Amino acid sequence: AQTVTQSQPEMSVQEAETVTLSCTYDTSESDYYLFWYKQPPSRQMILVIRQEAYKQQNATENRFSVNFQKAAKSFSLKISDSQLGDAAMYFCAYRSYNNNDMRFGAGTRLTVKP
Amino acid sequence: DTGVSQNPRHKITKRGQNVTFRCDPISEHNRLYWYRQTLGQGPEFLTYFQNEAQLEKSRLLSDRFSAERPKGSFSTLEIQRTEQGDSAMYLCASSFVGDTEAFFGQGTRLTVV
Repeated sequence: AQTVTQSQPEMSVQEAETVTLSCTYDTSESDYYLFWYKQPPSRQMILVIRQEAYKQQNATENRFSVNFQKAAKSFSLKISDSQLGDAAMYFCAYRSYNNNDMRFGAGTRLTVKP
Repeated sequence: DTGVSQNPRHKITKRGQNVTFRCDPISEHNRLYWYRQTLGQGPEFLTYFQNEAQLEKSRLLSDRFSAERPKGSFSTLEIQRTEQGDSAMYLCASSFVGDTEAFFGQGTRLTVV
């Protein structure tokens, strides 16, 4: 079964600085999707960025980028120029290409200090 | 369309009572998912529907849990004979078939006392 591990329960970053959140996963499949979701306090989860496993190029969305290392099964999220609004729980998620069962990590709580 | 809507937002119930939650997906989304999220954990998949058909159920979905999507639009999740271990946030998400992205609702927080 696929598992997703986020080894950093909490992270802190100074406003305008850069922070990297770690995620590793375990799978025997070759085709899958990886996601980072953001869950602000008392608000719904929203998609930050996604990566298709067959793509070698790392996905980028404005200040958010990933470092996808398929062989190492690693999928880290880099947030540049951190803003106060980035404070939230961040979840890494895995979804098999042919399956709708999305597996989430335990999350990383990001605090942004002014 | 304002996104995925879940009601109620909060529910407190006594152990042994039955509860029902409702999810209204984004209009025309044919896939609908239910997840459970306990404190300090990521969401765990419970079940999903494509239109009105329930296509997959997790082992987490015990016999006390039942989900329906009678007309392929809104869905309900019922928990019978609630237990304290059922206390969690219940999340609903929806998507189009073939889309990789699912849109989440704000969840229903259940507290069993």
